Amino acid sequence: ETGVTQSPTHLIKTRGQQVTLRCSSQSGHNTVSWYQQALGQGPQFIFQYYREEENGRGNFPPRFSGLQFPNYSSELNVNALELDDSALYLCASSFQGANTEAFFGQGTRLTVV
Amino acid sequence: GQQVMQIPQYQHVQEGEDFTTYCNSSTTLSNIQWYKQRPGGHPVFLIQLVKSGEVKKQKRLTFQFGEAKKNSSLHITATQTTDVGTYFCGPSSSNTGKLIFGQGTTLQVKP
Repeated sequence: ETGVTQSPTHLIKTRGQQVTLRCSSQSGHNTVSWYQQALGQGPQFIFQYYREEENGRGNFPPRFSGLQFPNYSSELNVNALELDDSALYLCASSFQGANTEAFFGQGTRLTVV
Repeated sequence: GQQVMQIPQYQHVQEGEDFTTYCNSSTTLSNIQWYKQRPGGHPVFLIQLVKSGEVKKQKRLTFQFGEAKKNSSLHITATQTTDVGTYFCGPSSSNTGKLIFGQGTTLQVKP
């Protein structure tokens, strides 16, 4: 086990609703990254948080937002949900910088109906 | 933006056969990481390669980084059913550690 925990594990939402996903990083890690993994695809980088600030963002619209807390845990918020937002959302914790491995949580499976 | 392509997308092998997946980039990479994702699971770090021409081994797994640092490969000798899963490769950003994943190679092993 990586020590990275995500909640909830599964979630069903209706189109147009808002959702908040949570991630507790591994002890000692200061960086949290969020990824979206559609079925049959590789994880796509959404954004990263370091020292409670966004530190890099992928090609996702502003309705995807996040937070990092002083204890390095993080939230991913998605507003105005669309059907295409249905995916596995993965949180990865690491030390800031290159040449460090990422420790992934088990993910939250979001289904938008 | 930076992209990596993995081939093949799917591979079915008989247990005991060898397996190789390739990761190709059009640009020079500072490093490459490999992850394995079991069905229904999450990506798990396998290895990182940094140096041109680097070769690393983990038991039956051999990882290579090309001389030009634009491609990489993962070779599994004598596959076992425990090797089933999707193997992802991708560089980690030199500044942030952001990962750019390829689409993965899904390995099925028939016992």
